Amino acid sequence: NAGVMQNPRHLVRRRGQEARLRCSPMKGHSHVYWYRQLPEEGLKFMVYLQKENIIDESGMPKERFSAEFPKEGPSILRIQQVVRGDSAAYFCASSPPTESYGYTFGSGTRLTVV
Amino acid sequence: GQNIDQPTEMTATEGAIVQINCTYQTSGFNGLFWYQQHAGEAPTFLSYNVLDGLEEKGRFSSFLSRSKGYSYLLLKELQMKDSASYLCAVPNAGKSTFGDGTTLTVKP
Repeated sequence: NAGVMQNPRHLVRRRGQEARLRCSPMKGHSHVYWYRQLPEEGLKFMVYLQKENIIDESGMPKERFSAEFPKEGPSILRIQQVVRGDSAAYFCASSPPTESYGYTFGSGTRLTVV
Repeated sequence: GQNIDQPTEMTATEGAIVQINCTYQTSGFNGLFWYQQHAGEAPTFLSYNVLDGLEEKGRFSSFLSRSKGYSYLLLKELQMKDSASYLCAVPNAGKSTFGDGTTLTVKP
């Protein structure tokens, strides 16, 4: 029973390029969350999605960032025209509808912008 | 809004007991989570408290006082592998807000 699958594990992009981060939730989980973690800092909420719906994107920067969770396929976090400040670890988590089970996290994608 | 406070760092000795505190202010309360995160890895779920009192799970226990907006994680019989960051998180409206984490260093 695979957990939350994120890919790639490491991603290097030059300034101005696009970054696409993928996340397949745990089987049976319908809720997906994206968090960003800067070095030596905590997890910052970005977006909460269910299939074909963005439930809460209050943590997403207004420009360059977008997320989707289509009916078929993984959730995608897309960062356009990346800048050095986008370098961080991006974690995806999934959960069933019941909050008390907590999140299952993927291994994260380490994005480095050069 | 949500506000969560944890100490930044703690150090303890192998075999000892350590208590990691977390205080929170929330607009609504739906429980409190503790996660463990080893350096360079993903967080993993440790515990969930929604009622006041102590929940014990092996060497780890978690306590909650809703009236005080306070929780702690208690780690007994510390082992070197317990060196990690411990994150307190509060769910609200379907998503969780995380504290910045407490980095615990266990020394021989």
